Amino acid sequence: EPEVTQTPSHQVTQMGQEVILRCVPISNHLYFYWYRQILGQKVEFLVSFYNNEISEKSEIFDDQFSVERPDGSNFTLKIRSTKLEDSAMYFCASSVFLLGTQTSGVFFGSGTQLSVL
Amino acid sequence: GNSVTQMEGPVTLSEEAFLTINCTYTATGYPSLFWYVQYPGEGLQLLLKATKADDKGSNKGFEATYRKETTSFHLEKGSVQVSDSAVYFCALARDDKIIFGKGTRLHILP
Repeated sequence: EPEVTQTPSHQVTQMGQEVILRCVPISNHLYFYWYRQILGQKVEFLVSFYNNEISEKSEIFDDQFSVERPDGSNFTLKIRSTKLEDSAMYFCASSVFLLGTQTSGVFFGSGTQLSVL
Repeated sequence: GNSVTQMEGPVTLSEEAFLTINCTYTATGYPSLFWYVQYPGEGLQLLLKATKADDKGSNKGFEATYRKETTSFHLEKGSVQVSDSAVYFCALARDDKIIFGKGTRLHILP
């Protein structure tokens, strides 16, 4: 069964450092997403990406965050200067269709646990 | 705004017990509703969904009915197994994104 792959599974970084979280979506999918879950809290939407541009972003997704699809297979989330409060599990997801129409086609990765020290 | 509220965990049950995890939502219009499950060390998996009022989603013995009058989508299973131990997330889809509840951790004791 096709799956969304995220690397690394755990990332530890120092406050102020840049991190890049990597995701390989399912190959024929067109829509890509990042979500995060701070320990004990809700899974929160960060950003959606389609046709090589951001289609929607939340208020969490400020100037410190950026996304990129550099080579047609990878989908990355970059945090430019990490803060303690960025510590969370980050989930990548992809879908063939737009979320509101065929949501059963949304596939999530297993997440990257980011710890900012 | 749009939001999902689900019962706090953890929930601990014995094998073969009846399970209910409550979920209520607030949304404009008519969102689609979902239950996702996260097994230890794995990603979020769609468990079941319902796209309109009175729809019943079901999968792997789990069921949930879209109740517009009570804005609820409670998850039920008649007889749980140890393998059902996981975190369960209620969610809605609106405006091209999924909004999740906080998750309920379920422990099933043999």
